[in-house]
Amino acid sequence: EVVLTQSPGTLSLTPGARATLSCRASQSIAGRYLAWYQQKPGQAPRLLIYASSTRATGIPDRFSGSGSGTDFTLSISGLEPEDFAVYYCQQFSNSPVIFGGGTKVELK
Amino acid sequence: QVQLVQSGPEVKKPGSSVKLSCKTSGGTFRSYAIGWVRQAPGQGLEWVGGVLPIFRSTDYAQRLQGRLTITADEATSTAYMELTSLKPDDTAIYYCGRGLEADHLYTSFDPWGQGTLVTVSS
Repeated sequence: EVVLTQSPGTLSLTPGARATLSCRASQSIAGRYLAWYQQKPGQAPRLLIYASSTRATGIPDRFSGSGSGTDFTLSISGLEPEDFAVYYCQQFSNSPVIFGGGTKVELK
Repeated sequence: QVQLVQSGPEVKKPGSSVKLSCKTSGGTFRSYAIGWVRQAPGQGLEWVGGVLPIFRSTDYAQRLQGRLTITADEATSTAYMELTSLKPDDTAIYYCGRGLEADHLYTSFDPWGQGTLVTVSS
């Protein structure tokens, strides 16, 4: 079973700053099987990035994904007030589908 | 535009069962997986299982095997998740999500339902 480790657990930043979130897999996975989600309090998760680097419909271009093998990154350039949330990575290369533990991006 | 609407909150006793629904509208129901993901209070996301109607394929998280059944009714474009022998640590918000890629059981999810809170307490 693949384990996804997200770091840091919490990222304290100011609006306008750049956020860099890491998702490390315990074994190599193909990039097409890696996605990122945003979740705000009291809301369902929202798909941001799929296939490790493709933005989902309606996602602003300040969100970008990169990486391959075991190391994947979600970057947010120029944090907007609505970007403070929890972010999860997900792998679905095989069963079981796994989510990382999440990174909380909070207002500094 | 695809939308997923889930059934309302449930309060159950330990040992009982719960059946949740996830009704989809817009798009093609049978070609896209419906996945179920739960989130315990203050915790992260946990994949529960999924169904791909076109192939009648299902898969479940190993820790829930034997207690979980996921089905899909193509006539009503509705997916169901039934969990039996409920325990207090099954207390969570249960979300359904539509698969992004057609014909794949394992996929990312977009969009998601609004979630259903299941509380298991004596």
